[in-house]
Parts: sequence; structure tokens; C-alpha cells
Amino acid sequence: QKEVEQDPGPLSVPEGAIVSLNCTYSNSAFQYFMWYRQYSRKGPELLMYTYSSGNKEDGRFTAQVDKSSKYISLFIRDSQPSDSATYLCVGGSARQLTFGSGTQLTVLP
Amino acid sequence: EAGVAQSPRYKIIEKRQSVAFWCNPISGHATLYWYQQILGQGPKLLIQFQNNGVVDDSQLPKDRFSAERLKGVDSTLKIQPAKLEDSAVYLCASSPGGGAFFGQGTRLTVV
Repeated sequence: QKEVEQDPGPLSVPEGAIVSLNCTYSNSAFQYFMWYRQYSRKGPELLMYTYSSGNKEDGRFTAQVDKSSKYISLFIRDSQPSDSATYLCVGGSARQLTFGSGTQLTVLP
Repeated sequence: EAGVAQSPRYKIIEKRQSVAFWCNPISGHATLYWYQQILGQGPKLLIQFQNNGVVDDSQLPKDRFSAERLKGVDSTLKIQPAKLEDSAVYLCASSPGGGAFFGQGTRLTVV
């Protein structure tokens, strides 16, 4: 079993839709969680960083962590074509960062 | 603030040849990572440095891969000899603790 499981998609939505991206994890040692956005032929870009269970909002993006069910989500409101990218969820501990396989998102104009 | 710099951006080599990648992390970041990303997959950790010491190299194929971080700043990753399955993007990232910041990566093609 992978430590971080993520639906690879691909996921296509119309512009303006609310997008929900989800991951589950199995490693209880993860202390913090992140979402990265990766455009084609670019390095991953840190999008959201959360320590605790609950929600964290930043503009159109909301990260949600539920440690009791080991479930993490990223919501994108009013999605834009520029949001088209691969989204990677990450579990972090003192020793390492563990990436999911990524979900490819396309927002259609 | 300057980001993580990597070079070269692209490299094509024949199998059994050697190759080296270079990374300059963000100034002041103690932690440096090298990841391998195969097309369609998430990044896989190869090695993690804390300053110039190795924290985790459990997934580094040590028979062919080596890495060093001299003086706790720049780092090089070497592959010798390369195999076809080493074709991937090699990402360097640095962190002050917590979230990591990535460079653009080096795309390696082994033919």
C-alpha cells in the first residue's frame, strides 16, 4: 500500500466549477500536509501547507485535513483555465516528504 | 528571493554513460532533496541532506547513483553508468523546515 494514495484522474471541469481533489494516507507519522501544483515541464510549486486537522483557506483554494480518517482534500473555487495542472498531495514528517502520484486537472474555457 | 537553481535543464545520453546534475538551493535552507519523477508519477525521494550530512538515502540505487553536498550548500547528483530506466526528471528541492521549494528539474533521456 502506498503511503499517500491519490486518484490520478484525469479530471476535466468547465471554467467556474468547484473542483475537489482528494488523497488518503496511511502513515500516522505525518505531521503536516501540503498541496503542490505542477505545470507541464515545470517543477512542483507549493500551493498550500497545513499542520492540523481542519480547513485552511487562501484565495480560491481551501485545504482540508481530517486526521481521524486520514483524508486530505483541496478545493478550488471558481476554477480557471490557468488552474489546469497536476496537483500533488504530500504528507510530511520530520524525516521526509511523501508524494502522491498526482491528479491531472483540466479546466475548460 | 532567488529560487532553487538546477542545471542542465535537459540532457540526452547513451546507456552506460555517466551524467551529473547540479543544484544550488535557496540561501539559508539547511535541507536539500533530490527527487526522481518518472512521467505520470509523483516525485520519488532519492536522497535528503541536512546541511552536508545525509538524512535519508534509502531509495538511492547506490550501485549507480551518488550524491554529495559540499559545504552544506550546492549539491551534485551523479549516475554512472546510466540505464534506460533512469530516463526521468530529476528535481532538486530545498527547505528551511516544513515545505520544500523545487527547482525546474533536469530532464534526462537515456537512449
